[in-house]
Amino acid sequence: EAGVAQSPRYKIIEKRQSVAFWCNPISGHATLYWYQQILGQGPKLLIQFQNNGVVDDSQLPKDRFSAERLKGVDSTLKIQPAKLEDSAVYLCASSLIETQYFGPGTRLLVL
Amino acid sequence: QKEVEQNSGPLSVPEGAIASLNCTYSDRGSQSFFWYRQYSGKSPELIMSIYSNGDKEDGRFTAQLNKASQYVSLLIRDSQPSDSATYLCAVNGVSGGGADGLTFGKGTHLIIQP
Repeated sequence: EAGVAQSPRYKIIEKRQSVAFWCNPISGHATLYWYQQILGQGPKLLIQFQNNGVVDDSQLPKDRFSAERLKGVDSTLKIQPAKLEDSAVYLCASSLIETQYFGPGTRLLVL
Repeated sequence: QKEVEQNSGPLSVPEGAIASLNCTYSDRGSQSFFWYRQYSGKSPELIMSIYSNGDKEDGRFTAQLNKASQYVSLLIRDSQPSDSATYLCAVNGVSGGGADGLTFGKGTHLIIQP
């Protein structure tokens, strides 16, 4: 069974630029999550989708972050404009029932 | 706001000994508890899940849950150098609308000394 796929794996941008991350969940997993993991900390939930609907985006900084999952499969997370403090690993996870499986993550550096 | 607390370590344990990792959580409504292992530069990998009070064993790993004390632990028996990693405690509570995103602790850095 293929795991959660994410791209790109690494991204370096300057502050105030925009960036987008892509995630393809495990086949058949209806629930998709985006987490932000800052160095030295545990992952922090940004947004949860159930199929193509948003279940929880209470911790998403909506002034600069947006996410979509238009057809209930792939998802994109966008940051516009980026700030220095957005430097982190962005993890996508998917689940069928409860266990969440994580992708390899996208490492973002904002200069 | 949900909080999950872990000692960040590092916790140093001799090879072959028992490693004991601890975690406390603030939300009494939490129902599901997870331990993830994360190697440096890699993504979290699920090791154990536990849902009811008591112990749950899987190979060299034992998870322990005490909801009254809001305490979760992970024991690793016969520790191996390959167990050296950061161990993340995660909690999943009851929220409206099916929201079940995990709240993670900062993780405990475990070092197994050969």
